[in-house]
Amino acid sequence: AQSVTQLGSHVSVSEGALVLLRCNYSSSVPPYLFWYVQYPNQGLQLLLKYTTGATLVKGINGFEAEFKKSETSFHLTKPSAHMSDAAEYFCAVITLGFQKLVFGTGTRLLVSP
Amino acid sequence: DAMVIQNPRYQVTQFGKPVTLSCSQTLNHNVMYWYQQKSSQAPKLLFHYYDKDFNNEADTPDNFQSRRPNTSFCFLDIRSPGLGDAAMYLCATSWERGGETQYFGPGTRLLVL
Repeated sequence: AQSVTQLGSHVSVSEGALVLLRCNYSSSVPPYLFWYVQYPNQGLQLLLKYTTGATLVKGINGFEAEFKKSETSFHLTKPSAHMSDAAEYFCAVITLGFQKLVFGTGTRLLVSP
Repeated sequence: DAMVIQNPRYQVTQFGKPVTLSCSQTLNHNVMYWYQQKSSQAPKLLFHYYDKDFNNEADTPDNFQSRRPNTSFCFLDIRSPGLGDAAMYLCATSWERGGETQYFGPGTRLLVL
């Protein structure tokens, strides 16, 4: 069975600081991994995804994530936080043959001036 | 350029009064999904349509039903809303099942009085 663990329900950073949101997954077969962002009262917007190939994936708004099979991790980073990055971030996993996108519990990113 | 559209954005209903939420897509995707998201929680899949093939999640209450009259539209019917059904309802689409990216609409926030 697939599962996703996001460490830290809340992460606080200062504007300009590094953003690191952690995601670990469990899957018995090669996974497809996603990061979505959700702003208040909005739907989910895809930030980036990993399917196969290059393990460092670049997404929108300056975010990137690295797939590390040995660590079963897919952490999301951004070198310099902006106030506009304040939102809820969800990591999700899906595997071929499974029809369900499994979400982590989410991490709320707070950015202070 | 809206791709997944949900109407209305906010819906107020009364306890026990049937309500229908609407989703439409301009992507011509084969798969349409309905998720329920309660406050500070991850989205929970209720069901999905693969073309006209309806797939219900095992733990989706009978109170929730869905219709997909054509490729572009999908409806969520809540037959007798209870206070516990107040949530954000998200519609998503994908080209295929499995590892395909899901594209989300902006959501409909349902309030039950």
